[in-house]
Amino acid sequence: GAGVSQSPRYKVAKRGQDVALRCDPISGHVSLFWYQQALGQGPEFLTYFQNEAQLDKSGLPSDRFFAERPEGSVSTLKIQRTQQEDSAVYLCASSLAERGGHEQFFGPGTRLTVL
Amino acid sequence: AQSVTQLDSQVPVFEEAPVELRCNYSSSVSVYLFWYVQYPNQGLQLLLKYLSGSTLVKGINGFEAEFNKSQTSFHLRKPSVHISDTAEYFCAVSLGTGNQFYFGTGTSLTVIP
Repeated sequence: GAGVSQSPRYKVAKRGQDVALRCDPISGHVSLFWYQQALGQGPEFLTYFQNEAQLDKSGLPSDRFFAERPEGSVSTLKIQRTQQEDSAVYLCASSLAERGGHEQFFGPGTRLTVL
Repeated sequence: AQSVTQLDSQVPVFEEAPVELRCNYSSSVSVYLFWYVQYPNQGLQLLLKYLSGSTLVKGINGFEAEFNKSQTSFHLRKPSVHISDTAEYFCAVSLGTGNQFYFGTGTSLTVIP
């Protein structure tokens, strides 16, 4: 079966532009996570979905960040009015588990560069 | 908030030598522990995980890790490294009651021929 896929793999945006990053999780995976990985750092949690419900968005850095998963499958992370500090790799992960402890499967990430 | 500390940001080691990558975490509750590897321009791949049971966990590619509750550590080891092990390694913690992973800052392992 296919793993987690993300698109685009690379995105260059001018400061102030809006961007949308897509994540296709593994089929049947209930949980979906978004992480932000700055250069030289470990991934940091942004938000979590269980099916279509966004249960935790405590990691979103500002109200310019918005995520959705309307049908409980594909998810989109949107960043409005991008800033240079938004430059990072955005990772999506999915998991079978509804509770903690189970493996998360990661996609290859989208590298966002804001000029 | 939980924290995960990877004490060594860079570890150079000669081929066929043993290696240990250190990971410590802070938590007063039960945790699940993971090691992931990230090759250049690729996603994170699970090496091994500790959920419960035996404290010595074996993973892929000859790696193993030992959970030490009293020292809140989960160090990764391999008895003999290969050139292909050159990559970034991340330790991660998940709380038993939550879902998100807390990652360390990573250790860059470089295997020298």
